[in-house]
Amino acid sequence: GAVVSQHPSWVICKSGTSVKIECRSLDFQATTMFWYRQFPKQSLMLMATSNEGSKATYEQGVEKDKFLINHASLTLSTLTVTSAHPEDSSFYICSARDSGRGYEQYFGPGTRLTVT
Amino acid sequence: GQQVMQIPQYQHVQEGEDFTTYCNSSTTLSNIQWYKQRPGGHPVFLIQLVKSGEVKKQKRLTFQFGEAKKNSSLHITATQTTDVGTYFCAGDNYGQNFVFGPGTRLSVLP
Repeated sequence: GAVVSQHPSWVICKSGTSVKIECRSLDFQATTMFWYRQFPKQSLMLMATSNEGSKATYEQGVEKDKFLINHASLTLSTLTVTSAHPEDSSFYICSARDSGRGYEQYFGPGTRLTVT
Repeated sequence: GQQVMQIPQYQHVQEGEDFTTYCNSSTTLSNIQWYKQRPGGHPVFLIQLVKSGEVKKQKRLTFQFGEAKKNSSLHITATQTTDVGTYFCAGDNYGQNFVFGPGTRLSVLP
């Protein structure tokens, strides 16, 4: 149990366009979802935390207007990278937590974004 | 803000040798979690430690949480090639912050 999926697994887009990444918890209800980005051979940097039905809480230095997060249901959160630039190219990983199960986070497989 | 450090950054061992990675937080934690990320993969939850001084074992892996709840360690006995990957600790500061350490990359030579 506790499977999290992400779609797409990889995407290439042109500078200036927007990209939406979906994160779904397949067999549990995710009261909280987290979005991370990871550069090659580096750690995961938390971008934002979202609770179902409320606005996301962004970490310092993360632009809210650039990285739009929507957690519309207990099984789906989306991250939209708006007006993407090459420096936004990264590995974006979501994770989900079910408050009923404790603090454990279940990670999705990640989405590799390349902006040309 | 809360900082989580890990040492060493890299560790190369011969198969069969032991391996330990250490995690230190700048603040007291409510709990600490350990994750393993294989090359090209995503982090996979290993364990959570909550109590001061807690020790948990999973087969060849032993996890410890310090008395002050600011540090932790992961020890692998008799490493195998399947242990290759990056081991991250993540500190939870009573729900206020959840911060991953930089990770320790383990390579195991057969």
